Amino acid sequence: DAGVIQSPRHEVTEMGQEVTLRCKPISGHDYLFWYRQTMMRGLELLIYFNNNVPIDDSGMPEDRFSAKMPNASFSTLKIQPSEPRDSAVYFCASSSSVNYGYTFGSGTRLTVV
Amino acid sequence: GIQVEQSPPDLILQEGANSTLRCNFSDSVNNLQWFHQNPWGQLINLFYIPSGTKQNGRLSATTVATERYSLLYISSSQTTDSGVYFCAVSAGGFKTIFGAGTRLFVKA
Repeated sequence: DAGVIQSPRHEVTEMGQEVTLRCKPISGHDYLFWYRQTMMRGLELLIYFNNNVPIDDSGMPEDRFSAKMPNASFSTLKIQPSEPRDSAVYFCASSSSVNYGYTFGSGTRLTVV
Repeated sequence: GIQVEQSPPDLILQEGANSTLRCNFSDSVNNLQWFHQNPWGQLINLFYIPSGTKQNGRLSATTVATERYSLLYISSSQTTDSGVYFCAVSAGGFKTIFGAGTRLFVKA
């Protein structure tokens, strides 16, 4: 398995633009997580899905953030409109209910200018 | 919510030395993991260890759930062990909370 795949690896965008981050989990994993990492706040859980259904989105900072998982092999995290304070590394991870250990993707480094 | 405290926050070792990293948590957990974030930012799962002891090469981990702590042991440290070590816990379900990490630097 190629692991958890995220795209793009880097994204630089202007304030006000829409940003879409993508994630392909490991095949067979039924849990998918979106995390954000910043120096000030560390690793924060934004949202997680089980069998494509959002279970807990209490970490999503505000309405500008949305996440979807239309099928078991794809998820998106969208920010619209983006702001400079959204600059961070966004990680996707997947796990299974059989073996709980997380596998993280390589992350997307987002810079909003 | 559950609180996770890691110590020490920073650690500098000479190559070949041993070390122990600690993770304290404020409530009962059903899921505890240790991760290593290398200098390139990649997060690698080291252990899933809600209780008991596990070993993988030079690394081992012990979780005493009743006393709400976990320890990560690194023996014969190497420069490639440098990075940040995170403890992550969940008190129910899969909502996993990360500690602030221990930043390790191993000198050659």
